[in-house]
Amino acid sequence: DVKVTQSSRYLVKRTGEKVFLECVQDMDHENMFWYRQDPGLGLRLIYFSYDVKMKEKGDIPEGYSVSREKKERFSLILESASTNQTSMYLCASSYLKLDSPLHFGNGTRLTVT
Amino acid sequence: QKEVEQNSGPLSVPEGAIASLNCTYSDRGSQSFFWYRQYSGKSPELIMFIYSNGDKEDGRFTAQLNKASQYVSLLIRDSQPSDSATYLCAVDMYSGGGADGLTFGKGTHLIIQP
Repeated sequence: DVKVTQSSRYLVKRTGEKVFLECVQDMDHENMFWYRQDPGLGLRLIYFSYDVKMKEKGDIPEGYSVSREKKERFSLILESASTNQTSMYLCASSYLKLDSPLHFGNGTRLTVT
Repeated sequence: QKEVEQNSGPLSVPEGAIASLNCTYSDRGSQSFFWYRQYSGKSPELIMFIYSNGDKEDGRFTAQLNKASQYVSLLIRDSQPSDSATYLCAVDMYSGGGADGLTFGKGTHLIIQP
């Protein structure tokens, strides 16, 4: 079974803090993704990566950055957390081929106060 | 603007009946289509995918795709209370292969009434 592991299930941070969300997958997937999920807005893509050191902006990249130094690990960074970044963050991974589904981690519920 | 539209529901279906979930998408070039199920407080889990016109069956689930109408649906036969969840339609709107991520609808909340 594919395992996508997110480092924290719940996280509480203060406004202005730098926040790191970590994600590790064990299936040698080329693609990795960060989504956020908010009530009424659904899942929205923040950033994705199809290879080590490669990154591409998704639909809502503002206020976020990412890092992929190793194939299995994809980090989401909030440079200066703000209250509007309070959300559920979901990491996902997939193979680089047609019909390859996304496999999601368990999510990190981030609260910024 | 790429869009995936779903009726948010709730859709209430009696136990044992067929639940029909629908999804439309805006990009005619989309190639792959996925249905995910999400229980409250959990992450989405894949039910099935389809990329050819027609029907695809997997157990109690059938996905239907009509590219000309830009429409994809999910049928759940013999609905069970454990099927109560939010169902997310996801579309690969770019080059195929999901390399650029999937675009998700906001989901349909399904309730199976015992």
